[in-house]
Amino acid sequence: EADIYQTPRYLVIGTGKKITLECSQTMGHDKMYWYQQDPGMELHLIHYSYGVNSTEKGDLSSESTVSRIRTEHFPLTLESARPSHTSQYLCASSDVVTGIYGYTFGSGTRLTVV
Amino acid sequence: AQRVTQPEKLLSVFKGAPVELKCNYSYSGSPELFWYVQYSRQRLQLLLRHISRESIKGFTADLNKGETSFHLKKPFAQEEDSAMYYCALRGSQGNLIFGKGTKLSVKP
Repeated sequence: EADIYQTPRYLVIGTGKKITLECSQTMGHDKMYWYQQDPGMELHLIHYSYGVNSTEKGDLSSESTVSRIRTEHFPLTLESARPSHTSQYLCASSDVVTGIYGYTFGSGTRLTVV
Repeated sequence: AQRVTQPEKLLSVFKGAPVELKCNYSYSGSPELFWYVQYSRQRLQLLLRHISRESIKGFTADLNKGETSFHLKKPFAQEEDSAMYYCALRGSQGNLIFGKGTKLSVKP
């Protein structure tokens, strides 16, 4: 089924660990995004990509990095996790056509750094 | 500056009462606006777009360029409407800019 998938759904990890949050979509969308959703539920764009080998930083400064080697895959990496990284991370995608209909969001990864 | 403002963090109404979730935007040019909804333990999903002038689940939203508003309305709220609602603006770079969200609570 065409969809966008995020793994893991929940992650509890110790400070200093390296983590990668996975995001894959099977809709062939060229544009993908990472949002951080803070405890107050506000959404902030942290990274986006308009296609393979294209990545940009969003409005909210983030210590995370992303890569886009394949159209369907847009992983987010934290080299050294800290408690301040505790948040929910949402991945989304759109394309030139469906972009006018908005984004398709994944289920999110709730990250807790202890 | 491109910005979306949702002034109410929480809106509580009784079942059957009218609902209006406020959204104001700041954008130079012709705006594209959306409403997204996030039900408990579910994904953020598109509710409606101003371009299509549609009514989804009884909700409507009209773009008022004079007041730079895109308020979401429903004449009779249902308990299943309880959720987090986000207004979003397509920015000049094509990305969606979200408001802080309004939590709607519909009481029986």
